[in-house]
Amino acid sequence: GAVVSQHPSRVICKSGTSVKIECRSLDFQATTMFWYRQFPKKSLMLMATSNEGSKATYEQGVEKDKFLINHASLTLSTLTVTSAHPEDSSFYICSARAPGQGTDTQYFGPGTRLTVL
Amino acid sequence: QKEVEQDPGPLSVPEGAIVSLNCTYSNSAFQYFMWYRQYSRKGPELLMYTYSSGNKEDGRFTAQVDKSSKYISLFIRDSQPSDSATYLCAMTNRGSTLGRLYFGRGTQLTVWP
Repeated sequence: GAVVSQHPSRVICKSGTSVKIECRSLDFQATTMFWYRQFPKKSLMLMATSNEGSKATYEQGVEKDKFLINHASLTLSTLTVTSAHPEDSSFYICSARAPGQGTDTQYFGPGTRLTVL
Repeated sequence: QKEVEQDPGPLSVPEGAIVSLNCTYSNSAFQYFMWYRQYSRKGPELLMYTYSSGNKEDGRFTAQVDKSSKYISLFIRDSQPSDSATYLCAMTNRGSTLGRLYFGRGTQLTVWP
């Protein structure tokens, strides 16, 4: 149980284009999902917290107009990187809170590696 | 001072060794403590979840929490090459905003045959 998927696993795009990453909780409903960014050999950096049906809460320094988050259902959250630039290249990981399995545990997706040329 | 401190290593041990990983933290309100294992280019996988102080054992893994010292540990017995990964500690408190986790920077572990 508590499986989280992400799609795509890897994406390469040209500078200036937009990229959408999907995060799905496969066997549970997640009212809260989180989006992280991870640089090589670094820890996870929380970008935003996403609640189903409401606006995402962004961490300080994260541009909300650049990283658009939508949490349209209890099993799906999307992150759209708009007008991507090479400095946006990174490993993006989502996680979801699993109710009833430890209210403060998060289960992570496998990550999406974004490369912007 | 960061809220969670973790030595990034790298840590290299022979197969069969006992591995000790640890984190310290500054926020006394933290009550929930987790260890995640992350293989290269993969998402973190929840290994252990502990509430408040005490020990928890699961197979070769033992998690310890000492709230008085603000110190948590993960022990791996009979370590295997397949244990080679980055281990992240994480913690939170019940009142944290929407369940936000605070992570250590991760310790890179290599177990050689």
